Amino acid sequence: DIVMTQSPDSLAVSLGERATINCKSSQSVLYSPNNKNYLAWYQQKPGQPPKLLIYWASTRESGVPDRFSGSGSGTDFTLTISSLQAEDVAVYLCHQYYSTPITFGQGTRLDFK
Amino acid sequence: QVHLVESGGGVVQPGRSVRLSCAASGFTFSSYGMHWVRQAPGKGLEWVALISSDGRNQEYGDSVKGRFTISRDNSRNTLFLQLNSLRPEDTAVYYCAKVGLTGSYMFYFDYWGQGTLVTVSS
Repeated sequence: DIVMTQSPDSLAVSLGERATINCKSSQSVLYSPNNKNYLAWYQQKPGQPPKLLIYWASTRESGVPDRFSGSGSGTDFTLTISSLQAEDVAVYLCHQYYSTPITFGQGTRLDFK
Repeated sequence: QVHLVESGGGVVQPGRSVRLSCAASGFTFSSYGMHWVRQAPGKGLEWVALISSDGRNQEYGDSVKGRFTISRDNSRNTLFLQLNSLRPEDTAVYYCAKVGLTGSYMFYFDYWGQGTLVTVSS
């Protein structure tokens, strides 16, 4: 099984400041034949389902503000929020869809400082 | 607009069964792989099962293998999850999720339902 480990578990950032969340996979999720990383990021607010933010590690989903960006390859990935807004307070999760069992990171709780 | 609506949750006694449904609309249901993902209260996401667009391929997480069965009815645009031999640790919100592309079931999840809560308790 591919284990997804996020860091930190929680993060407090001031409004307008940058937030960085890391996700490390225990095995590479880069599929060589198409050179794509099978890694997605989601935002989850209390009482709501997860919302897709980023897929293929760095492709922003339609409608997601451009302050959200994803980077990384292989086993190390980062979600960056360039300028934290009030509505960004949530739990953020990474997800590997490279192989079954599909696995998720444990989540990073993002709050205001 | 894509909509996924789960139903069938409730309070179930240990050892009993329940069937969850996920009604899909707003897209060509028969073209997309589908998944079930669950979330225990206050916990993270756990993948449960997947099914291919034509229903021929299914896979399961280790914790539910042999007890849960995923299926679909493409004529009714509905996904199902049969939960048997339920245990207290199966208590969770169960979400259905649609994959983002056709051609495989191993893709990111672009739409999720609101979830249905299954509580296993005597």
